[in-house]
Amino acid sequence: EPEVTQTPSHQVTQMGQEVILRCVPISNHLYFYWYRQILGQKVEFLVSFYNNEISEKSEIFDDQFSVERPDGSNFTLKIRSTKLEDSAMYFCASILRDRGAGTEAFFGQGTRLTVV
Amino acid sequence: GENVEQHPSTLSVQEGDSAVIKCTYSDSASNYFPWYKQELGKGPQLIIDIRSNVGEKKDQRIAVTLNKTAKHFSLHITETQPEDSAVYFCAAIRSSNTGKLIFGQGTTLQVKP
Repeated sequence: EPEVTQTPSHQVTQMGQEVILRCVPISNHLYFYWYRQILGQKVEFLVSFYNNEISEKSEIFDDQFSVERPDGSNFTLKIRSTKLEDSAMYFCASILRDRGAGTEAFFGQGTRLTVV
Repeated sequence: GENVEQHPSTLSVQEGDSAVIKCTYSDSASNYFPWYKQELGKGPQLIIDIRSNVGEKKDQRIAVTLNKTAKHFSLHITETQPEDSAVYFCAAIRSSNTGKLIFGQGTTLQVKP
């Protein structure tokens, strides 16, 4: 069964350092997302990406964040200068088509980011 | 604004009993309501979903009901088994172009053998 894969599974970084979280969405999917989940809290939307551009972003997704789909298969989330409060589980998701009602979002297993 | 409230935050049931998790949403433009199960160390996985033009949907031991007027939707698990133990999230998508999911806070379900 096709799946969304994320690497690394766990990333520890020093505050102020840049991190890149990587995702390989399902190959024929067209819509891509990053979500995050701070420990014990709900899953929060960060950004959606379609046709090589951001289609929507949340208030969390400030200038420190960026996304890229550099080679048609990988989808990356970059945090330029990490803060302690960026520590969370980050999930990548993809949708095949019809990004509105009725289409299943497939999630990766997540990357746990710990900023120390 | 867009918000989904989910209750209870934790639920403990005996094996074989039923479990019900409830959610309310604020955005009347929401028209698709998926439920996700998250096991330890894994990403959310879709278990059932319902569209706004349907009031109820069932898949074996799992059912979801939707009350559009009250903006409520619920997950019902019958004959619970220990492997049902997980965190369950409800979510809503509004009729926008991005497919963004708004999640509830999650319910930790524990099924005691």
